[in-house]
Amino acid sequence: AQSVTQLGSHVSVSEGALVLLRCNYSSSVPPYLFWYVQYPNQGLQLLLKYTTGATLVKGINGFEAEFKKSETSFHLTKPSAHMSDAAEYFCAVSRPNYGGSQGNLIFGKGTKLSVKP
Amino acid sequence: DVKVTQSSRYLVKRTGEKVFLECVQDMDHENMFWYRQDPGLGLRLIYFSYDVKMKEKGDIPEGYSVSREKKERFSLILESASTNQTSMYLCASSLRTGGSSPLHFGNGTRLTVT
Repeated sequence: AQSVTQLGSHVSVSEGALVLLRCNYSSSVPPYLFWYVQYPNQGLQLLLKYTTGATLVKGINGFEAEFKKSETSFHLTKPSAHMSDAAEYFCAVSRPNYGGSQGNLIFGKGTKLSVKP
Repeated sequence: DVKVTQSSRYLVKRTGEKVFLECVQDMDHENMFWYRQDPGLGLRLIYFSYDVKMKEKGDIPEGYSVSREKKERFSLILESASTNQTSMYLCASSLRTGGSSPLHFGNGTRLTVT
């Protein structure tokens, strides 16, 4: 069965510092992987996704993630944090063939990112 | 841009009431989903639908039902609301493309049951 583990429920960085949010997954089939961001009182917004091809995926707002099959990881990074990056981030893996349908996602429990001035 | 609209941002209901949460998407997506979000638990799937009148239970369907009479609309129903159903409810939709299409989310409905 698929699952997602996000290490660290809270991460705090200084403005301008590297952002690293960790995500490990388990999947019995080649996974599709996603990162979403949630700003206060809003729904989730797609940051980036990995389906096939290049393992380094670039997303919006300067974020990127690298799919490492050998480590079953899909960590999210950004070279230089900005105050506006403060939000909650969710990693997700697709759950194929669930109830006859595809497109379900299993989400991690989220990591709240704080950015200090 | 895909737009997923949830009819209410905030709802306050009493224990035992029947509650309807409505969701509409405007991009002709086949898949629609209802998740609930609770602090420390992430998002958990309640129900989903991959076609009109089709529905499948998710991970936590107990106490909920759904209705999809039209492709663009997916309703979540709490037959008899209880305090443990106080939560943020998120609706989402996606194309039916074998799992690679991202979910598009509404802004959520924060439900309080007193």
